[in-house]
Amino acid sequence: QKEVEQDPGPLSVPEGAIVSLNCTYSNSAFQYFMWYRQYSRKGPELLMYTYSSGNKEDGRFTAQVDKSSKYISLFIRDSQPSDSATYLCAMKIDGGSQGNLIFGKGTKLSVKP
Amino acid sequence: EAQVTQNPRYLITVTGKKLTVTCSQNMNHEYMSWYRQDPGLGLRQIYYSMNVEVTDKGDVPEGYKVSRKEKRNFPLILESPSPNQTSLYFCASSWIMNTEAFFGQGTRLTVV
Repeated sequence: QKEVEQDPGPLSVPEGAIVSLNCTYSNSAFQYFMWYRQYSRKGPELLMYTYSSGNKEDGRFTAQVDKSSKYISLFIRDSQPSDSATYLCAMKIDGGSQGNLIFGKGTKLSVKP
Repeated sequence: EAQVTQNPRYLITVTGKKLTVTCSQNMNHEYMSWYRQDPGLGLRQIYYSMNVEVTDKGDVPEGYKVSRKEKRNFPLILESPSPNQTSLYFCASSWIMNTEAFFGQGTRLTVV
């Protein structure tokens, strides 16, 4: 079983739709959960991060972590064509020197006007 | 502007010809790392460095070398490149206690 699993898509939605992106993981020691966005021909950029379980909201984006199910989600409300990118989940054991970032393979999202 | 700068952005080389990809950050970050990104495999860490003169292997270190002589620079060295090292490479930096990694723009390497 891979440490982090993420459906690669591609996922195509119409503008204005609610998008749900998900990752599952196997290592119960993960404490920090992140979502990175990667535009074509660019490096990943941090979109959101959460610590342990719970929700975090930032504008149109909501990140959810369910540690009991080892499942994290990113919701995008009122999706825009500018949201078209690959979304990578990433996880870390702690915020210090222990453990490196483990990435999912990414989900490619296309938002059609 | 805070940034991680990689050079070159694109590189085509022949098997066995040594090459270096440079990485420089202007944020005084302690932690720097190199990743390769391949279709279907995602981002995999090659090497990382916790500070000057402190480096360690990531998940896929074979065929690569790194050095960290200055805090801002973390070059990736391929002593004898092979076609299976054709990939998209990213350098990243962060504070050790911070979860946010800043990535460079990437270097697309083709080894023929």
